[in-house]
Amino acid sequence: EAQVTQNPRYLITVTGKKLTVTCSQNMNHEYMSWYRQDPGLGLRQIYYSMNVEVTDKGDVPEGYKVSRKEKRNFPLILESPSPNQTSLYFCASSLGSGREDTQYFGPGTRLTVL
Amino acid sequence: GNSVTQMEGPVTLSEEAFLTINCTYTATGYPSLFWYVQYPGEGLQLLLKATKADDKGSNKGFEATYRKETTSFHLEKGSVQVSDSAVYFCALSRGGSNYKLTFGKGTLLTVNP
Repeated sequence: EAQVTQNPRYLITVTGKKLTVTCSQNMNHEYMSWYRQDPGLGLRQIYYSMNVEVTDKGDVPEGYKVSRKEKRNFPLILESPSPNQTSLYFCASSLGSGREDTQYFGPGTRLTVL
Repeated sequence: GNSVTQMEGPVTLSEEAFLTINCTYTATGYPSLFWYVQYPGEGLQLLLKATKADDKGSNKGFEATYRKETTSFHLEKGSVQVSDSAVYFCALSRGGSNYKLTFGKGTLLTVNP
């Protein structure tokens, strides 16, 4: 089944403890993205990647890192999480960047930073 | 800059009622426009899209027309069902690149039997 998977689905952690949220897609997609969803703000893009080893900042990159060492994986790294990073995170992927391409979203990771 | 403004919710309707969720946008260039739906506890699913002016996207009885003159992409459905209860997001592609999306804040729709 074609899908985007994220792990973990739920995570509670404490301020300053490094964490990684994994994202993997099995559709051989070139493009991958991370978004965060907050009440009243909708979804905002954190980082995106156009291919292996090619990443760029989205609208809210502060406090996050990403890497794209393999085409299928795009982990989101919080080196020193803070309570304002408590949010629902979504990974997404798309085959290309053209007008007919569609982003497919993962199921989400709910992160709580205490 | 790029932005999406959509109708504040929540919206509560009775089954078989007509639905409109307004969406207007500000963008440079010629973005593609999207409606995504998020069912409770799930990720986002693409509902419909339009890639150029005057295009109409449609899916599952929902429709939206890309109106460049009014910079709008309103979502409509003639007869809603309980199963349509969800959060609906309007979005545009920045710079015409469909992997760089700007979303509206979302509209919660509840349909009562």
